[in-house]
Amino acid sequence: DAGITQSPRYKITETGRQVTLMCHQTWSHSYMFWYRQDLGHGLRLIYYSAAADITDKGEVPDGYVVSRSKTENFPLTLESATRSQTSVYFCASKQGGFTDTQYFGPGTRLTVL
Amino acid sequence: RKEVEQDPGPFNVPEGATVAFNCTYSNSASQSFFWYRQDCRKEPKLLMSVYSSGNEDGRFTAQLNRASQYISLLIRDSKLSDSATYLCVVIQQGATNKLIFGTGTLLAVQP
Repeated sequence: DAGITQSPRYKITETGRQVTLMCHQTWSHSYMFWYRQDLGHGLRLIYYSAAADITDKGEVPDGYVVSRSKTENFPLTLESATRSQTSVYFCASKQGGFTDTQYFGPGTRLTVL
Repeated sequence: RKEVEQDPGPFNVPEGATVAFNCTYSNSASQSFFWYRQDCRKEPKLLMSVYSSGNEDGRFTAQLNRASQYISLLIRDSKLSDSATYLCVVIQQGATNKLIFGTGTLLAVQP
């Protein structure tokens, strides 16, 4: 049982390039989330999705685009990467109720030069 | 002011010691509270939920003080394997799908 996976695990790109980070979960969880983690800020929510074709903004959505055409996948795209988007990105999922545990993927370490 | 604040540490303690972390939250409408654990360069994992009556899981005890708006985590008989960053997490009323994370407290248990 793979659980929740992210790819790539490490990525180096240049300013202005488009980058897509992939997230895949095998639990058929309804909810999926994208966070970024930076020193001094903790984890901050970028976008989340309650179901296929339903997405909503989190705390720091600017510069990011998401889609969810299938329940199991939730890709995050940086349309034109900036140095301030250098970060560790975590995808998470949960089944439903607000007390349900969020399970996190292993993270993608992105560096924008 | 940050919504969830934690002492970043590091807390350096010897094996077998008891250590306590506190976390304060600014929004009185916060309704659910958790402690997550994050090992170096790994993903966060749920350690335990925090209930109003307090709760215990083995060597770990979590408590909530709504009047003062803080939660605490007590670790007894520290093990080397407890070394990690402990994240305080809050869910606010009306935003039940949004976890709000503190920046974490780093614990280093020394042999």
